[in-house]
Amino acid sequence: DTEVTQTPKHLVMGMTNKKSLKCEQHMGHRAMYWYKQKAKKPPELMFVYSYEKLSINESVPSRFSPECPNSSLLNLHLHALQPEDSALYLCASSPYRSGGADTQYFGPGTRLTVL
Amino acid sequence: EDQVTQSPEALRLQEGESSSLNCSYTVSGLRGLFWYRQDPGKGPEFLFTLYSAGEEKEKERLKATLTKKESFLHITAPKPEDSATYLCALVRPSGSRLTFGEGTQLTVNP
Repeated sequence: DTEVTQTPKHLVMGMTNKKSLKCEQHMGHRAMYWYKQKAKKPPELMFVYSYEKLSINESVPSRFSPECPNSSLLNLHLHALQPEDSALYLCASSPYRSGGADTQYFGPGTRLTVL
Repeated sequence: EDQVTQSPEALRLQEGESSSLNCSYTVSGLRGLFWYRQDPGKGPEFLFTLYSAGEEKEKERLKATLTKKESFLHITAPKPEDSATYLCALVRPSGSRLTFGEGTQLTVNP
Protein backbone atom coordinates (compact mmCIF):
# COMPACT_ATOMS: atom_id res chain seq x y z
CA ASP A 1 0.00 0.00 0.00
CA THR A 2 1.49 3.34 -1.07
CA GLU A 3 -1.22 5.63 0.25
CA VAL A 4 -0.74 9.09 1.65
CA THR A 5 -3.93 10.74 2.87
CA GLN A 6 -4.61 14.46 3.21
CA THR A 7 -7.42 16.40 4.85
CA PRO A 8 -9.32 18.45 4.06
CA LYS A 9 -9.72 18.05 0.29
CA HIS A 10 -10.76 21.68 -0.09
CA LEU A 11 -10.30 24.68 2.20
CA VAL A 12 -11.48 28.25 1.84
CA MET A 13 -10.15 30.75 4.35
CA GLY A 14 -9.96 34.45 4.93
CA MET A 15 -6.71 36.30 5.38
CA THR A 16 -7.18 36.53 9.15
CA ASN A 17 -8.09 32.87 9.73
CA LYS A 18 -5.96 30.15 11.27
CA LYS A 19 -6.32 26.69 9.78
CA SER A 20 -4.32 23.47 9.50
CA LEU A 21 -3.70 20.93 6.78
CA LYS A 22 -3.15 17.32 7.80
CA CYS A 23 -1.25 14.48 6.17
CA GLU A 24 -0.92 10.86 7.23
CA GLN A 25 0.96 7.81 5.98
CA HIS A 26 1.23 4.28 7.37
CA MET A 27 3.99 2.94 5.15
CA GLY A 28 6.70 3.30 7.77
CA HIS A 29 8.30 6.09 5.78
CA ARG A 30 10.74 8.30 7.70
CA ALA A 31 10.70 11.37 5.45
CA MET A 32 7.70 13.59 4.82
CA TYR A 33 7.35 16.63 2.60
CA TRP A 34 5.13 19.62 1.93
CA TYR A 35 4.85 21.00 -1.58
CA LYS A 36 2.93 23.90 -3.08
CA GLN A 37 1.65 23.63 -6.64
CA LYS A 38 0.21 26.44 -8.75
CA ALA A 39 -1.83 25.78 -11.87
CA LYS A 40 0.15 24.34 -14.81
CA LYS A 41 3.39 24.35 -12.80
CA PRO A 42 5.32 21.50 -11.16
CA PRO A 43 5.27 21.08 -7.39
CA GLU A 44 7.57 23.40 -5.40
CA LEU A 45 9.20 22.03 -2.28
CA MET A 46 8.38 23.86 0.96
CA PHE A 47 9.54 21.66 3.86
CA VAL A 48 11.16 18.29 4.49
CA TYR A 49 11.03 16.31 7.72
CA SER A 50 13.36 13.37 8.18
CA TYR A 51 13.01 11.23 11.28
CA GLU A 52 10.52 13.81 12.59
CA LYS A 53 13.05 16.63 12.46
CA LEU A 54 12.82 19.57 10.08
CA SER A 55 15.70 19.11 7.67
CA ILE A 56 14.80 21.49 4.83
CA ASN A 57 12.93 24.79 4.88
CA GLU A 58 12.92 26.35 1.43
CA SER A 59 12.75 29.93 2.76
CA VAL A 60 9.02 29.65 3.22
CA PRO A 61 7.25 32.67 4.84
CA SER A 62 6.52 32.26 8.53
CA ARG A 63 2.77 32.34 7.90
CA PHE A 64 3.29 28.64 7.02
CA SER A 65 4.31 26.58 10.04
CA PRO A 66 5.00 22.85 9.69
CA GLU A 67 4.74 20.30 12.47
CA CYS A 68 5.56 16.60 12.61
CA PRO A 69 3.93 15.15 15.76
CA ASN A 70 5.08 11.60 14.99
CA SER A 71 6.49 9.52 12.16
CA SER A 72 3.08 9.04 10.54
CA LEU A 73 1.64 12.55 10.76
CA LEU A 74 2.52 15.88 9.22
CA ASN A 75 0.65 19.14 9.71
CA LEU A 76 0.88 22.50 8.04
CA HIS A 77 -0.46 25.38 10.13
CA LEU A 78 -1.67 28.39 8.21
CA HIS A 79 -2.07 31.92 9.56
CA ALA A 80 -2.56 35.31 7.94
CA LEU A 81 -2.29 33.97 4.43
CA GLN A 82 -2.42 36.08 1.29
CA PRO A 83 -4.57 35.47 -1.80
CA GLU A 84 -1.42 34.50 -3.73
CA ASP A 85 -1.04 31.54 -1.36
CA SER A 86 -4.05 29.92 -3.01
CA ALA A 87 -2.76 26.68 -4.54
CA LEU A 88 -2.83 22.90 -4.33
CA TYR A 89 -0.85 21.80 -1.26
CA LEU A 90 0.67 18.37 -1.59
CA CYS A 91 2.09 16.09 1.05
CA ALA A 92 4.53 13.33 0.15
CA SER A 93 6.45 10.65 2.00
CA SER A 94 9.46 8.48 1.23
CA PRO A 95 11.34 5.65 2.92
CA TYR A 96 14.45 7.88 3.37
CA ARG A 97 16.95 5.38 2.03
CA SER A 98 20.50 6.50 2.51
CA GLY A 99 22.68 5.90 -0.53
CA GLY A 100 19.81 5.33 -2.92
CA ALA A 101 17.14 7.17 -4.87
CA ASP A 102 14.28 7.80 -2.50
CA THR A 103 10.92 7.50 -4.22
CA GLN A 104 8.39 10.04 -2.99
CA TYR A 105 4.71 9.10 -2.87
CA PHE A 106 2.25 11.95 -3.02
CA GLY A 107 -1.12 12.44 -1.40
CA PRO A 108 -4.18 13.74 -3.27
CA GLY A 109 -3.62 17.32 -2.13
CA THR A 110 -5.62 20.05 -0.43
CA ARG A 111 -7.02 22.76 -2.70
CA LEU A 112 -6.62 25.99 -0.71
CA THR A 113 -8.38 29.21 -1.60
CA VAL A 114 -7.53 32.39 0.32
CA LEU A 115 -10.10 35.16 0.03
CA GLU B 1 22.76 23.84 -11.45
CA ASP B 2 20.43 20.89 -12.05
CA GLN B 3 18.10 21.30 -14.99
CA VAL B 4 15.23 19.20 -16.26
CA THR B 5 13.55 20.06 -19.57
CA GLN B 6 10.51 18.21 -20.82
CA SER B 7 9.22 18.24 -24.38
CA PRO B 8 6.80 18.72 -25.90
CA GLU B 9 4.83 20.97 -23.54
CA ALA B 10 1.60 19.51 -24.88
CA LEU B 11 0.82 16.53 -27.08
CA ARG B 12 -2.44 15.47 -28.67
CA LEU B 13 -2.77 11.90 -29.91
CA GLN B 14 -5.51 9.82 -31.40
CA GLU B 15 -6.38 6.66 -29.53
CA GLY B 16 -3.92 3.96 -30.59
CA GLU B 17 -1.34 6.44 -31.91
CA SER B 18 1.95 5.63 -30.15
CA SER B 19 4.42 8.36 -29.24
CA SER B 20 7.19 9.38 -26.84
CA LEU B 21 7.70 12.10 -24.26
CA ASN B 22 11.19 13.46 -23.67
CA CYS B 23 12.96 14.50 -20.47
CA SER B 24 16.43 16.02 -20.94
CA TYR B 25 18.54 16.67 -17.89
CA THR B 26 21.83 18.07 -16.68
CA VAL B 27 23.01 17.13 -13.21
CA SER B 28 26.33 16.48 -11.55
CA GLY B 29 25.70 12.95 -10.44
CA LEU B 30 22.29 11.38 -10.95
CA ARG B 31 20.92 9.34 -8.07
CA GLY B 32 17.58 8.61 -9.69
CA LEU B 33 15.12 9.82 -12.30
CA PHE B 34 11.40 9.59 -11.65
CA TRP B 35 8.30 9.69 -13.81
CA TYR B 36 4.97 10.72 -12.36
CA ARG B 37 1.50 11.04 -13.84
CA GLN B 38 -0.77 13.82 -12.58
CA ASP B 39 -4.48 14.23 -13.23
CA PRO B 40 -6.01 17.73 -12.88
CA GLY B 41 -6.46 18.75 -9.24
CA LYS B 42 -4.85 15.56 -7.90
CA GLY B 43 -1.46 14.61 -6.52
CA PRO B 44 1.24 13.11 -8.75
CA GLU B 45 1.04 9.34 -9.08
CA PHE B 46 4.37 7.52 -9.09
CA LEU B 47 5.13 5.56 -12.27
CA PHE B 48 8.83 4.66 -12.48
CA THR B 49 12.26 5.17 -10.97
CA LEU B 50 15.30 4.76 -13.23
CA TYR B 51 18.76 4.61 -11.72
CA SER B 52 21.33 4.20 -14.46
CA ALA B 53 21.82 4.64 -18.20
CA GLY B 54 20.47 1.74 -20.20
CA GLU B 55 17.77 0.90 -17.69
CA GLU B 56 14.21 0.33 -18.93
CA LYS B 57 10.96 -0.19 -17.04
CA GLU B 58 7.47 -1.04 -18.28
CA LYS B 59 3.97 -0.79 -16.92
CA GLU B 60 0.96 -1.54 -19.09
CA ARG B 61 1.18 0.81 -22.11
CA LEU B 62 4.10 2.81 -20.68
CA LYS B 63 7.82 2.19 -21.03
CA ALA B 64 10.50 4.43 -19.55
CA THR B 65 14.11 4.45 -20.73
CA LEU B 66 17.20 6.31 -19.54
CA THR B 67 20.42 7.49 -21.18
CA LYS B 68 23.15 9.68 -19.73
CA LYS B 69 21.41 12.84 -20.95
CA GLU B 70 17.72 12.06 -21.29
CA SER B 71 14.82 9.83 -20.49
CA PHE B 72 11.92 8.85 -22.68
CA LEU B 73 8.44 7.79 -21.73
CA HIS B 74 7.06 5.71 -24.57
CA ILE B 75 3.29 5.32 -24.78
CA THR B 76 2.10 2.42 -26.91
CA ALA B 77 -1.46 2.40 -28.29
CA PRO B 78 -2.68 5.03 -25.82
CA LYS B 79 -6.25 5.22 -24.58
CA PRO B 80 -8.22 8.31 -23.52
CA GLU B 81 -7.65 7.38 -19.87
CA ASP B 82 -3.92 7.97 -20.42
CA SER B 83 -4.67 11.69 -20.74
CA ALA B 84 -2.80 13.48 -17.95
CA THR B 85 0.27 15.60 -17.28
CA TYR B 86 3.44 13.55 -17.12
CA LEU B 87 6.17 14.90 -14.85
CA CYS B 88 9.83 13.97 -14.88
CA ALA B 89 12.00 14.63 -11.82
CA LEU B 90 15.51 13.83 -10.70
CA VAL B 91 17.32 13.59 -7.41
CA ARG B 92 20.99 14.21 -6.74
CA PRO B 93 23.15 12.14 -4.42
CA SER B 94 23.43 15.01 -1.95
CA GLY B 95 19.87 15.12 -0.73
CA SER B 96 16.20 14.42 -1.11
CA ARG B 97 15.19 17.42 -3.22
CA LEU B 98 13.36 16.55 -6.40
CA THR B 99 14.04 18.78 -9.39
CA PHE B 100 10.95 18.68 -11.59
CA GLY B 101 10.50 19.43 -15.24
CA GLU B 102 7.56 21.57 -16.32
CA GLY B 103 5.62 18.52 -17.49
CA THR B 104 4.04 17.33 -20.73
CA GLN B 105 0.27 17.59 -20.97
CA LEU B 106 -0.96 14.57 -22.93
CA THR B 107 -4.44 14.41 -24.44
CA VAL B 108 -5.62 11.21 -26.11
CA ASN B 109 -8.73 11.62 -28.22
CA PRO B 110 -11.10 8.69 -28.79
